[in-house]
Amino acid sequence: NAGVTQTPKFQVLKTGQSMTLQCAQDMNHNSMYWYRQDPGMGLRLIYYSASEGTTDKGEVPNGYNVSRLNKREFSLRLESAAPSQTSVYFCASGTGGPRNTQYFGPGTRLTVL
Amino acid sequence: AQSVTQLGSHVSVSEGALVLLRCNYSSSVPPYLFWYVQYPNQGLQLLLKYTSAATLVKGINGFEAEFKKSETSFHLTKPSAHMSDAAEYFCAVSDTGNQFYFGTGTSLTVIP
Repeated sequence: NAGVTQTPKFQVLKTGQSMTLQCAQDMNHNSMYWYRQDPGMGLRLIYYSASEGTTDKGEVPNGYNVSRLNKREFSLRLESAAPSQTSVYFCASGTGGPRNTQYFGPGTRLTVL
Repeated sequence: AQSVTQLGSHVSVSEGALVLLRCNYSSSVPPYLFWYVQYPNQGLQLLLKYTSAATLVKGINGFEAEFKKSETSFHLTKPSAHMSDAAEYFCAVSDTGNQFYFGTGTSLTVIP
């Protein structure tokens, strides 16, 4: 099992460019999550999908969109990148509910110039 | 919304010494609490979690944490630090839904 995979690992964008971060899991999990990690701020939830076909906003959704393509895949899109979106982005998956263990991908390091 | 506070963004201990990483939570309902560890350039992985069963929770790699409702705390301990414990540690809390709230993290340095 590969677990949670993310592509790309690194990306540099110019302000105003768009891109999509891809995430896939092979653990048959219902729930998937997107976080951003910034120094001194820990991880903050951007969006989550409790189950296939549903998505909900987290703490910091502005400037992002998501798509739960199927049970395995959950993508994060930046329509018009801004320097404030420079961060490390982590995708996670879990069985769902407040007790569930989340399994994290290796992260995407994004720099917006 | 739920929140957690991790006291001390950096903690240094000598190899073989006690590790104590602090976490306090705010919650209006019984919380579910987690400790995750992040090694350099990796994603997070679960150390242990409290889900309203035993208040003393044992996790992987010799770590444990005690849920103290009266103190709203969930501190992480390990009796004897090892060099391989050097990492960043995150406390997290979840509510009755699907949202998880992470602390700002504590970077643990182990001095040989």
